[in-house]
Amino acid sequence: EVQLVQSGAEVKKPGESLKISCKASGYRFTSYWIAWVRQKPGKGLEWMGTIYPGDSDTKYNSSLQGHVIMSADKSIFTAYLQWSSLKATDTGIYFCAKHHSGRYFDWFDLWGQGTVVTVSS
Amino acid sequence: SYVLTQTPSVSVAPGQTAKITCGGNSIGTKRVHWYQQRPGQAPVLVVYDDFDRPSGIPERFSGSNSGNTATLTISSVEAGDEADYYCQVWDYNTDHGVFGGGTKLTVL
Repeated sequence: EVQLVQSGAEVKKPGESLKISCKASGYRFTSYWIAWVRQKPGKGLEWMGTIYPGDSDTKYNSSLQGHVIMSADKSIFTAYLQWSSLKATDTGIYFCAKHHSGRYFDWFDLWGQGTVVTVSS
Repeated sequence: SYVLTQTPSVSVAPGQTAKITCGGNSIGTKRVHWYQQRPGQAPVLVVYDDFDRPSGIPERFSGSNSGNTATLTISSVEAGDEADYYCQVWDYNTDHGVFGGGTKLTVL
């Protein structure tokens, strides 16, 4: 079965670090771009960036200004999103989503279930 | 940066047709994709490349795109169609993915 399974909910304090994961199965992980999409509480979807697991090429939303880092481990078919210093405004649901093809500008045809991140003192 | 504008809410009675619009500068020159997000769930692709449907999506869902407006049309609306709908494009100028603000479809 083709699927993306994300890591569980996290509760963190401001200033702490965090790394969440997205494990792929059922398709060739290294051949398709994977995006990260944020949804703040009660708000819409926001594209954060996209990574190509084959060579770890990345495209970031410039509004994030280096606040997050995307990475991928080909050996375990897993993509990651990490923060070195969380802010309260990072609270939200984070989805990973597979692009339809090897082209980063294609649509998202498969989504993970989402990871809820809560940052609060 | 490229901006996509959606009407925040649309209401329709069961069996009627719902039209959800997505406005953007010359959006007719871009490829528009639509996602359905039911409460508490991850988004699901319902239309891609303006008007194509993934397998498993009913024919009731259709799309069009011209000029400055793309439209998702849902015919014979059912209670299960109640959800938030998002349009999405790729902005080649900035190499960014862009989502519209979303439209909440309420089935009366």
